[in-house]
Amino acid sequence: GAVVSQHPSWVICKSGTSVKIECRSLDFQATTMFWYRQFPKQSLMLMATSNEGSKATYEQGVEKDKFLINHASLTLSTLTVTSAHPEDSSFYICSAHYASGGFGEQFFGPGTRLTVL
Amino acid sequence: AQKITQTQPGMFVQEKEAVTLDCTYDTSDPSYGLFWYKQPSSGEMIFLIYQGSYDQQNATEGRYSLNFQKARKSANLVISASQLGDSAMYFCAMREDRAYDKVIFGPGTSLSVIP
Repeated sequence: GAVVSQHPSWVICKSGTSVKIECRSLDFQATTMFWYRQFPKQSLMLMATSNEGSKATYEQGVEKDKFLINHASLTLSTLTVTSAHPEDSSFYICSAHYASGGFGEQFFGPGTRLTVL
Repeated sequence: AQKITQTQPGMFVQEKEAVTLDCTYDTSDPSYGLFWYKQPSSGEMIFLIYQGSYDQQNATEGRYSLNFQKARKSANLVISASQLGDSAMYFCAMREDRAYDKVIFGPGTSLSVIP
């Protein structure tokens, strides 16, 4: 199947700093990528839809100025958590929409564990 | 409103036995897809099986089968011959075709396989 990578796999930062997470589709082009957040023992919550060459679409309740998303190419989307605080500590997972697949499945990255001190 | 419901927070199954994980969904979109994913403790999301709303037959993938009851809006996952490696979180998810390929997830079921 198609491969999606995320970098870094884990990051620890101080409160008030910004953290950038990269999501790459390695062997296919993805016009649409998705960012999810998962708190411990909870489900994946969709944060935003990242569209190549246009602004991201954020889900209700997600602060667009805090979670900046850029989808500059067909293989790369980035999520920047600005002025991170301890409550932003979470597992962030991206997925890429594989349009050429039989049912347009999504492939998930391995996730990034963010810890804000 | 909750679109995906998984009523079993935790399940136990004996090794080599079959287990059914429940999932019900809510949508008014006639065209949609249903997914099951496995998430082991490492955190990676592993795709297991897919069922399209217009598929006439229940999907099967190896030891996984999906019991799709469209009128009841139910898409239960059946795992046959459970293995110790099946212990993980299992998520039911749905994509509504009118929702621009967004996939939303249910709350998940934690499955523990007992030797």
